[in-house]
Amino acid sequence: DAGITQSPRHKVTETGTPVTLRCHQTENHRYMYWYRQDPGHGLRLIHYSYGVKDTDKGEVSDGYSVSRSKTEDFLLTLESATSSQTSVYFCAISESPTYEQYFGPGTRLTVT
Amino acid sequence: SQQGEEDPQALSIQEGENATMNCSYKTSINNLQWYRQNSGRGLVHLILIRSNEREKHSGRLRVTLDTSKKSSSLLITASRAADTASYFCATEETSGSRLTFGEGTQLTVNP
Repeated sequence: DAGITQSPRHKVTETGTPVTLRCHQTENHRYMYWYRQDPGHGLRLIHYSYGVKDTDKGEVSDGYSVSRSKTEDFLLTLESATSSQTSVYFCAISESPTYEQYFGPGTRLTVT
Repeated sequence: SQQGEEDPQALSIQEGENATMNCSYKTSINNLQWYRQNSGRGLVHLILIRSNEREKHSGRLRVTLDTSKKSSSLLITASRAADTASYFCATEETSGSRLTFGEGTQLTVNP
C-alpha cells in the first residue's frame, strides 16, 4: 500500500446521492486505475487514466465518471449512487500497462 | 467477462505442503501476473511472466506459462500459515493495455 492512499476508507450513503472517492499517489506513476471487487466477479476495471486529463472506460463504467487534474490524484465519482454500486473499490497505479500494478488499501462503499 | 479463470476456487492444505493454483485464459496475451490479497487488504503483486517465458521463480514461488494451452500455474512450496490469502491471476491481452483479473483462489494453510 506504500505510496497510494484512498479516501474515505469506509462510506455509507443513501441511494441517489453523489459520492466521490479519491486516490492519491506519491510514486509519480503515469497510469492509474479504479476497480471494484465483488464476490463472484473478482476485480473489474471501471475507468483508468494514462495521464493528466487522459482517461478511458473499463468494462463496468456505466454510472461512474473520473477525473485526473494532477498526476497524483485520480477521482472516481458516482453521480447518483445505487445499491448495485455497493462494493469495495480499489485504486491501482503502474508505470506502464505492461508492468505490475500497485494497489491501494480499498474503500468499502455501502449504498442503502 | 473474465479473461482469467483460477482453479480451484478454494484450497485448504497443511503447513509445509505445496500449494498449486491454476489459471486459464482465452485470448493471446503479452504477460500474465499473479497477485495475492490478504483479507481486507489491497492486492500485492507477486510475479510477472511474459508470453515468451515458460517459467519464473521468486523465493518459494514458481510460475509456469503454457501459451499453447493458454494456462498458467502458481506453485507455493513449503507453505506457511501466513500464505493464507486469495490469489489472483491477471492477463494483459495483446489487443489491449489493461489487466483482466480472474475471480481468485482462496488458499487456507492450516498450522
